[in-house]
Amino acid sequence: GESVGLHLPTLSVQEGDNSIINCAYSNSASDYFIWYKQESGKGPQFIIDIRSNMDKRQGQRVTVLLNKTVKHLSLQIAATQPGDSAVYFCAEKGAGGTSYGKLTFGQGTILTVHP
Amino acid sequence: NAGVMQNPRHLVRRRGQEARLRCSPMKGHSHVYWYRQLPEEGLKFMVYLQKENIIDESGMPKERFSAEFPKEGPSILRIQQVVRGDSAAYFCASSQPGLGGEQFFGPGTRLTVL
Repeated sequence: GESVGLHLPTLSVQEGDNSIINCAYSNSASDYFIWYKQESGKGPQFIIDIRSNMDKRQGQRVTVLLNKTVKHLSLQIAATQPGDSAVYFCAEKGAGGTSYGKLTFGQGTILTVHP
Repeated sequence: NAGVMQNPRHLVRRRGQEARLRCSPMKGHSHVYWYRQLPEEGLKFMVYLQKENIIDESGMPKERFSAEFPKEGPSILRIQQVVRGDSAAYFCASSQPGLGGEQFFGPGTRLTVL
C-alpha cells in the first residue's frame, strides 16, 4: 500500500542553527504534500505545502524541497528556535475520487532545539 | 473564529464499554476527517465525512467503529466494546468544501482503555 516516511528519527540542534528534516514517500502519483508540526498534547499544525509541479517553496523561516525523481521531501528551518521543538510530519494528500481529502502521514521526526 | 473543537479531551473507558468522541468543525467547514494516532506514530486516516454522508471510510475498522456527521450538531466517532488496543489519540480535522481545502486539526481526544 502507499506509505509516507517510514522512520521516526530524532534531530537535535543548537538554537540558531539550521535544521533539515527529511521524508520519503512511495506513491509516485502523489501531487500535493504538506508539512505539519505537532507539539506535545496538541493536534498537528500546518506549516507549509507544495504541489508536485514545484520543486521548492519558501515560507517564513521554512523552505520545502521536493525531489520527485527520488520521491523525497525535505523541510528546512532557518535559525531554529527552542519553540520549534516538536514532532514534524510530512503528509501526502490523496488525489482524485473519494480519497482526495485523505491525508497519509509519515511517522514523524522529533526535533529538539537546545538553547 | 473558533478552531476545531473536540471533546472530551481525555476519556477513560473499561474494556467492553462504549466511547463517544465529538468533533465540532470550524465555522463554515462542512468536511470532517477523523484520524487515529498511536504513540510515536503518525496519524492514520480513518474516515472522511460531509454533512449526512460518509465519503471515504477506508481507514475504519470493519467492526465496532462508526462515524456520523448529522445535519445539525457535531460529528461523532463511536467505538463500541472498546479493547485495550483502541487506546490512542483521535484527531478530527475540518476543511471548507471544494477540492484541496486545507485541513485544520482539533486538539484531539486521548482515549485510554483500562
